[in-house]
Amino acid sequence: QQQVKQSPQSLIVQKGGISIINCAYENTAFDYFPWYQQFPGKGPALLIAIRPDVSEKKEGRFTISFNKSAKQFSLHIMDSQPGDSATYFCAARGSGDKLTFGTGTRLAVRP
Amino acid sequence: NAGVMQNPRHLVRRRGQEARLRCSPMKGHSHVYWYRQLPEEGLKFMVYLQKENIIDESGMPKERFSAEFPKEGPSILRIQQVVRGDSAAYFCASSPPDRFYGYTFGSGTRLTVV
Repeated sequence: QQQVKQSPQSLIVQKGGISIINCAYENTAFDYFPWYQQFPGKGPALLIAIRPDVSEKKEGRFTISFNKSAKQFSLHIMDSQPGDSATYFCAARGSGDKLTFGTGTRLAVRP
Repeated sequence: NAGVMQNPRHLVRRRGQEARLRCSPMKGHSHVYWYRQLPEEGLKFMVYLQKENIIDESGMPKERFSAEFPKEGPSILRIQQVVRGDSAAYFCASSPPDRFYGYTFGSGTRLTVV
C-alpha cells in the first residue's frame, strides 16, 4: 500500500516535444505529491509539487496533472530541452511524514 | 544559506570496517531523512529523525546500521562491519516541520566497499 508505481522506466523525446511521466498510488492517506529531478552524481532536486485538492499545477514548462479518483498523477514537460535530460522521480507523502519514491524515469531529450 | 551538507562525498571502506556518514541539515530544518540509492535504482527510505529522536526507522536494516541526530552537531548514519552489498549512494534530506514543504537533498555520500 506504500508503493508508488512509475512509468515509463525510460523515455526518449525530441527537442521541443512533450515529455510525459506517469505515477499511480494505492494509499489514500497520501496527501502531498512532489516530483524530483536528478542529474548524474547529484542529489535529487525538488521540481514541482501538488496537493490532492488541486487537479493541475503549472510552473514554467512543468505541469503536474492529478486525478484523485484514479489515484494517478503525471508530470508533463512542455518544449523539452536537452538540458532536461535527467532522471525524474515522483513521490508521495503520507501521515508518517516520510516520502515514498517511484522507481524513476530516465529522460533523454535528443537535439 | 547553505543547503544540506553531506560528507564525505566519497568513502571507500574495506569489508568489516565501519562507515560514518555525516549530514548537516539546512538552517531552520528540524527533520532529517536518510535514503539509499543503488545504481540505476530509486531511493529507498532508511530512517527519519528529529533532534535526539528516531521517528521512523522502518527502512533501516536491524543489524549493523544505526542513525542519530544529536542536540548539537550533524546527523550521523553509521554502518558497522560493512559488506560489499552496502556499496551505494546514501542521501540525506531535511525539511522544516511544515509537512507540505518538500525535502531538500544533499549531494550524497558514495560508499564503496572493497
